[in-house]
Amino acid sequence: DIQMTQSPSTLSASVGDSVTITCRASQNVNGWLAWYQQKPGKAPKVLIYKASSLQSGVPSRFSGRESGTEFTLTISSVEPDDFATYYCQQYNSDSRTFGQGTKLEIK
Amino acid sequence: EEQLVESGGGLVKPGGSLRLSCVASGFAFNTYTMNWVRQAPGKGLEWVASISYSSSKIYYADSVKGRFTISRDNANKSLFLQMNSLRAEDTAVYYCARDGSRLMVRGIVINSFSGWFDPWGQGTLVTVSS
Repeated sequence: DIQMTQSPSTLSASVGDSVTITCRASQNVNGWLAWYQQKPGKAPKVLIYKASSLQSGVPSRFSGRESGTEFTLTISSVEPDDFATYYCQQYNSDSRTFGQGTKLEIK
Repeated sequence: EEQLVESGGGLVKPGGSLRLSCVASGFAFNTYTMNWVRQAPGKGLEWVASISYSSSKIYYADSVKGRFTISRDNANKSLFLQMNSLRAEDTAVYYCARDGSRLMVRGIVINSFSGWFDPWGQGTLVTVSS
């Protein structure tokens, strides 16, 4: 199975900061990667698919980039609603796998 | 509004069985791949199983293969997960999720798989404990 490794596990930031979360795949996933946001007690919500395509309705401060097997999610200017846990997910193989998650906390 | 509503969760003893259901509304259920994803308490997300729009292609995570069965009833816009031989490590919130997109040409589904998940249901809790 393809392993997805996210870093950092926890990220502390202030409102207005720019933050970046990294996800590394154990092998090539051909850009088939999505990012999700999850708040406590709620279902995940997709932010980005195909590495850099913004899902409809998602604010433009969220962006995704791909460089080989390394993917990044950037929030350009963190807003109060963005404090949550973020997951990457590969879908290159029939067996989908998620990263372990990154919790974005208020500094 | 596109919506998924799960039901069927509860407390079950190790070795027992449970059947989860998910009812869809607001979209053409019979043209999309559907999925189950779970989340153990305080842990991350784990994909469980996927089923294509016509049920012709089904995939499972290794952790549930041979114990869980995914199925669907397109006439009733419903998705199911039959869970047998349950273990303590199967304790989790189980989410029903639709694939985010599909490829159709002139009303015919060419490929119902996109691989990313949207929307998700609210989840149903399964607790395996004696």
